[in-house]
Amino acid sequence: SQTIHQWPATLVQPVGSPLSLECTVEGTSNPNLYWYRQAAGRGLQLLFYSVGIGQISSEVPQNLSASRPQDRQFILSSKKLLLSDSGFYLCAWSGQASYEQYFGPGTRLTVT
Amino acid sequence: AQSVSQHNHHVILSEAASLELGCNYSYGGTVNLFWYVQYPGQHLQLLLKYFSGDPLVKGIKGFEAEFIKSKFSFNLRKPSVQWSDTAEYFCAVTLKAAGNKLTFGGGTRVLVKP
Repeated sequence: SQTIHQWPATLVQPVGSPLSLECTVEGTSNPNLYWYRQAAGRGLQLLFYSVGIGQISSEVPQNLSASRPQDRQFILSSKKLLLSDSGFYLCAWSGQASYEQYFGPGTRLTVT
Repeated sequence: AQSVSQHNHHVILSEAASLELGCNYSYGGTVNLFWYVQYPGQHLQLLLKYFSGDPLVKGIKGFEAEFIKSKFSFNLRKPSVQWSDTAEYFCAVTLKAAGNKLTFGGGTRVLVKP
């Protein structure tokens, strides 16, 4: 069966520090991958999605970037964190021909 | 721009009460519709989905939702809630012409009192 992992589970970082969040999927190949941010009371906002290795689409302009170095690995990064980057970051995957998305456990990021 | 609205941000009710959560979307094209649920401390998980066919869909744990195309709505219902239904519920929509990028509503926190 397919599983999705995210780490770290929680992270506290100072303003101006770099960020790297990792997401990996097991049990499937060539998935679509997604990064969402969940801010309190604001639902989930799609940040990036990827349909294949090296293919990244950004949905909103921001301080973050994403990369997909391997088929089942999706990384969310920042060179310098802002206070506004605090939030709950969720990774998700779907099959290429499927509309259903499956979510990971998330990473809670606090920028201080 | 496409949007999804959940008008109730917080709902508090007692066990055995009926639940209905509203969801409206602003897309003009053919859509796929979803309800996701996030129980305390757990992953976001799919509750039910509508792609086509019967507009009344049934999901897990006794939930159902009705797609009313003329009203651009996909309301979630459960006739009798349990304490274990305490969670945050998210409506989400994909526009078929735009692939499978989900647009989420703001979520509704439901607290069921025992």
